[in-house]
Amino acid sequence: AQSVTQPDIHITVSEGASLELRCNYSYGATPYLFWYVQSPGQGLQLLLKYFSGDTLVQGIKGFEAEFKRSQSSFNLRKPSVHWSDAAEYFCAVGGVPGSNYKLTFGKGTLLTVNP
Amino acid sequence: DVKVTQSSRYLVKRTGEKVFLECVQDMDHENMFWYRQDPGLGLRLIYFSYDVKMKEKGDIPEGYSVSREKKERFSLILESASTNQTSMYLCASRYTDRVNTEAFFGQGTRLTVV
Repeated sequence: AQSVTQPDIHITVSEGASLELRCNYSYGATPYLFWYVQSPGQGLQLLLKYFSGDTLVQGIKGFEAEFKRSQSSFNLRKPSVHWSDAAEYFCAVGGVPGSNYKLTFGKGTLLTVNP
Repeated sequence: DVKVTQSSRYLVKRTGEKVFLECVQDMDHENMFWYRQDPGLGLRLIYFSYDVKMKEKGDIPEGYSVSREKKERFSLILESASTNQTSMYLCASRYTDRVNTEAFFGQGTRLTVV
């Protein structure tokens, strides 16, 4: 069975500080991995995705994530956080389209940004 | 622009009512999903559909059913609404293309069952 663990329920950082959100996954084959962000009252927006190639992927809003197969991790990073980054962040894992359509999400990490 | 539209942002229904949540996508996606989102529990998959008239149970299908008669529309049905089904419901759709495979989400329907 596929699963995602986001160990941190809530993280608080100061504006301008660096950020790392953790994500660990369980999947029996090559995974498709995603990070989504949800602002209050909004749907989910894709930040970035990984399915092959370079293990460091760049996304929107200055975010990046690194895929580490040996650690089953896909951590999200940003070098300098802005107040507008305050939101909830979700990591997700899925299979190869055409063979496994299911997308499984973690429980999310709520990010608070202090001025 | 890609669009997934859920028919209602807010719904209030009574216990025992039959409730329909509608979702329409305009991207010709093969896969569609229904999730419920609760604080501290993240997104949990209720049902998904990989083609017209095809469906599979997700992780929490009890008390729900779905219908997909046309490719662009995926309906979630609460046969007899209960208070523990009060939640945010999110619809999503996804290509089966190997590259462009991210899911696109609707704005959500906040359902309150009283």
